[in-house]
Amino acid sequence: GENVEQHPSTLSVQEGDSAVIKCTYSDSASNYFPWYKQELGKGPQLIIDIRSNVGEKKDQRIAVTLNKTAKHFSLHITETQPEDSAVYFCAADFGNEKLTFGTGTRLTIIP
Amino acid sequence: EAGVAQSPRYKIIEKRQSVAFWCNPISGHATLYWYQQILGQGPKLLIQFQNNGVVDDSQLPKDRFSAERLKGVDSTLKIQPAKLEDSAVYLCASSLQAGGGQPQHFGDGTRLSIL
Repeated sequence: GENVEQHPSTLSVQEGDSAVIKCTYSDSASNYFPWYKQELGKGPQLIIDIRSNVGEKKDQRIAVTLNKTAKHFSLHITETQPEDSAVYFCAADFGNEKLTFGTGTRLTIIP
Repeated sequence: EAGVAQSPRYKIIEKRQSVAFWCNPISGHATLYWYQQILGQGPKLLIQFQNNGVVDDSQLPKDRFSAERLKGVDSTLKIQPAKLEDSAVYLCASSLQAGGGQPQHFGDGTRLSIL
């Protein structure tokens, strides 16, 4: 079935260091992989996405890498800041216009 | 551009009562989604609309949940009767059109508590 696994579930990082969150997916038909940031009391906010014809995408301090052979993709946040503290979700579109979400990673930036 | 609007923000009801949530998507977005997010989990799709037609409602508990998008813009999601396990945040999202790889934009949700 369609499944997305996300690790770690919690992550604490010293301010200024990098944070990496990894997701694996079950179906090789997946073609779209967005990442969302969710702050307390807010809805998920799209922060970056990548499509299956691209291996890496970067937007300022945020980057996403995709390895289609291994069926995994990762979110990289560099030079972390306190405002990066939130829950991050990966998701995958398995080619049916529906998103399946991972279980989330609670990222805490330690000042 | 205005984002996805949802109301109410919070709702507390007793089990077996009914409740309704409202969503106004981003202007011009043809596709609208309702998700259920249980505490500590990722959002789970309940129903997807393309304009005013249902594309996928396979995960909607149809014995108690219903949704409509009569004019292809606003949408309502109803629960009747509510059960304790329905306590969750109900999120609405929209995307410009159907088709794989369309970014979905979320509202801030309605937090439902069942007593």
